Amino acid sequence: GAGVSQSPSNKVTEKGKDVELRCDPISGHTALYWYRQSLGQGLEFLIYFQGNSAPDKSGLPSDRFSAERTGGSVSTLTIQRTQQEDSAVYLCASSLDLNEKLFFGSGTQLSVL
Amino acid sequence: ILNVEQSPQSLHVQEGDSTNFTCSFPSSNFYALHWYRWETAKSPEALFVMTLNGDEKKKGRISATLNTKEGYSYLYIKGSQPEDSATYLCAFDNYGQNFVFGPGTRLSVLP
Repeated sequence: GAGVSQSPSNKVTEKGKDVELRCDPISGHTALYWYRQSLGQGLEFLIYFQGNSAPDKSGLPSDRFSAERTGGSVSTLTIQRTQQEDSAVYLCASSLDLNEKLFFGSGTQLSVL
Repeated sequence: ILNVEQSPQSLHVQEGDSTNFTCSFPSSNFYALHWYRWETAKSPEALFVMTLNGDEKKKGRISATLNTKEGYSYLYIKGSQPEDSATYLCAFDNYGQNFVFGPGTRLSVLP
């Protein structure tokens, strides 16, 4: 597609349930990033993938969070046993290469009740 | 832990006013500094990627300067318009690491 696509755009879930967020980057972009923005906070780095290198997972807040990127393209961010503090906008971005400007998706608004 | 700061946190200006805000970042291990505009209900959009000390970039009424030795960048908007209302984010690019974003400056331009 022309831009970064994220789905779903909104997700409401109950505490304790697992959720999966999807990101479809721009074709040909080798770098893919996940960020989140909690209410009143700035963009918080979660994880990034660059080509075939091992991902940088240093931003994942707990072991309930995991992400994968299959075939160097689509990425899924999985949150297990969701907690209320996981409520946030989850943004995905891709770039042509590491350190190039980021193209963001429209985000997934996650609400954990 | 890298610290990227932005000031002010929010700003209200009248249409036609010129304004500027600041991004402060570590002066060591600098690779690039990015500016993004994030309008409500839209995705953040890249404005500038700045790499060289003394760099000055311009896009229409918006311009930015960079001082890597002292660790700051200014974003200027000349003759603000209501459509400039958005959150302006800077991101520090520490080569080989991820981008570290500042908390943003929320600009409201009143007609």
